[in-house]
Amino acid sequence: SYELTQPPSVSVSPGQTASITCSGDKLSNKYVCWYQQKPGQSPVLVIYLDTKRPSGIPERFSGSYSGNTATLTISGTQAMDEADYSCQAWDGGTVVFGGGTKLTVL
Amino acid sequence: QVQLVQSGAEVKKPGSSVKVSCKASGGTFSSFAISWVRQAPGQGLEWIGGIIPVYGTANSAQKFQGRVTITADISTSTVYMEVSSLRSEDTAVYYCARRPDYSNHVFDVWGQGTLVTVSS
Repeated sequence: SYELTQPPSVSVSPGQTASITCSGDKLSNKYVCWYQQKPGQSPVLVIYLDTKRPSGIPERFSGSYSGNTATLTISGTQAMDEADYSCQAWDGGTVVFGGGTKLTVL
Repeated sequence: QVQLVQSGAEVKKPGSSVKVSCKASGGTFSSFAISWVRQAPGQGLEWIGGIIPVYGTANSAQKFQGRVTITADISTSTVYMEVSSLRSEDTAVYYCARRPDYSNHVFDVWGQGTLVTVSS
């Protein structure tokens, strides 16, 4: 079965740039989405179709690709960005999520 | 703006079944699909399956096939997910999510989640 791999945790200082990676076999051939989830809340879509940002999501959130690794970048990270972030892709009719990355803003 | 409202928390015995509902409001129900995703305590998100209500066509992840049934009632804008033969590992928060474009699996609106606890 298809798998997406994320680092379990990432730490960043306020105001700095946070990068969260997501890798998978032939991921460059698939679309990737990113979801933010705060404790006790439902996931929120922050990036879709690799690089698009839904309305209402701050410009500091961006998505990019390099080879078979997708990256969520948060520029000028704020304390409110501390959350779990999950990548997602689909392979045919099957949807796969990464294991999630806990972003800590120190 | 579309909102998805799910049914309340459930406590079930191992071997029994649970049916969770997801009611959509504020949008055209026939124009989007609904998927189900679960999250076990302290774990990541796991896709279960989904349905295109206007067509009634559903699919699910291989691990859930034969144990999960997803249906839709267009008259009430409600999607249902039933899980049978429950086991302790099914204890999780179950979310429904809107998939506005049939050609992809972008989930742009999520329900509030339904906690299903399986315990003897």
